[in-house]
Amino acid sequence: DTEVTQTPKHLVMGMTNKKSLKCEQHMGHRAMYWYKQKAKKPPELMFVYSYEKLSINESVPSRFSPECPNSSLLNLHLHALQPEDSALYLCASSQPTRGRQNIQYFGAGTRLSVL
Amino acid sequence: GDSVTQMEGPVTLSEEAFLTINCTYTATGYPSLFWYVQYPGEGLQLLLKATKADDKGSNKGFEATYRKETTSFHLEKGSVQVSDSAVYFCALISGSGNTGKLIFGQGTTLQVKP
Repeated sequence: DTEVTQTPKHLVMGMTNKKSLKCEQHMGHRAMYWYKQKAKKPPELMFVYSYEKLSINESVPSRFSPECPNSSLLNLHLHALQPEDSALYLCASSQPTRGRQNIQYFGAGTRLSVL
Repeated sequence: GDSVTQMEGPVTLSEEAFLTINCTYTATGYPSLFWYVQYPGEGLQLLLKATKADDKGSNKGFEATYRKETTSFHLEKGSVQVSDSAVYFCALISGSGNTGKLIFGQGTTLQVKP
């Protein structure tokens, strides 16, 4: 089973709202990722957690706040977003194998619209 | 820095036609190479991978061979179906860290007509 589950599938929020995206995997992976994908573009890496610790933050604005409460869950807390933050947010996970064997498995994504 | 270049789309083919999507890369060392597919309204699915020179990845009739001498990883399929219509991303992971950063190409949209 290579399933990464993301909820909700769709989210509409105002610029003053606070919302959270959720990602879950039960493959025993210890690395989890958040990506942002705009229409007709490749995904852009936002954050990486390795063994529940934040290891990469790609200079993402503070209105995006990641959280990894345990090895199976990854959250992305959203606050005071801008309309340009509207995008597909993808979660991925992998086994943090040293070297080049890292295979990332993606969820179906949350399509976010900021009004 | 590391980069991936894909042929520009969209690519439009008739059903049962032969497919080639070109992908070349620039990387230090020996990256792992991947093809991901994204169907309309969905996330990315791993289609195939290769981790060393001359490896051939294959899945669902798609194939790609890791060519170190030409730094290429072209995707091929002998007979496409309407259900293959999607966006295809070539990607690489390099470096020796535990959490390699995926570097994507720009994506190639494939449309297969009946």
